[in-house]
Amino acid sequence: DAGVTQSPTHLIKTRGQHVTLRCSPISGHKSVSWYQQVLGQGPQFIFQYYEKEERGRGNFPDRFSARQFPNYSSELNVNALLLGDSALYLCASSSTGNSNTEAFFGQGTRLTVV
Amino acid sequence: AQTVTQSQPEMSVQEAETVTLSCTYDTSENNYYLFWYKQPPSRQMILVIRQEAYKQQNATENRFSVNFQKAAKSFSLKISDSQLGDTAMYFCAFMKFDNNDMRFGAGTRLTVKP
Repeated sequence: DAGVTQSPTHLIKTRGQHVTLRCSPISGHKSVSWYQQVLGQGPQFIFQYYEKEERGRGNFPDRFSARQFPNYSSELNVNALLLGDSALYLCASSSTGNSNTEAFFGQGTRLTVV
Repeated sequence: AQTVTQSQPEMSVQEAETVTLSCTYDTSENNYYLFWYKQPPSRQMILVIRQEAYKQQNATENRFSVNFQKAAKSFSLKISDSQLGDTAMYFCAFMKFDNNDMRFGAGTRLTVKP
């Protein structure tokens, strides 16, 4: 069975540009969460979506947005990129999105802003 | 706000020996979950073990066990019979019972030496 898949695996963008990161959850999982992991730190929660509705949002600026599609895949969009947005972006899926169900992570997208 | 602290940036252990990774957290919640995740160089976060705060019994998963001290807000991970494949970053994480915002510590880099 395919796990959580993220694309692209690596990406280089210039300051001020826009980026879209994609995530396909495990088949049957309806919840997708996004995390930002800056080098040398633990992941930080950005968004959670369940059944196409936003369920949670972390402390990130409005330049960050996301959405979930009818097939439960998700996109994370970041506008007006800053150097500080350089990080590993992780996607996690779970069956219900509740805290009592296990979240499975993808291998992430490494974003470098130059 | 909930915070998670891992005070050991790096640790090493000889193969087949036992090592304990420390984690403390701060919360006013009574119901929550605690997790240990492993992140090898492949970048994928893998759940090692999970503890529900309402359970007094410490969770165990094969060679991995935790020492959960709720009053002290401490959640340490013990790895027995360490193997070379245990070499990775280990993250302690906290999640409120009714929330999906998982808070991670800064991580401990564990190296298992042959």
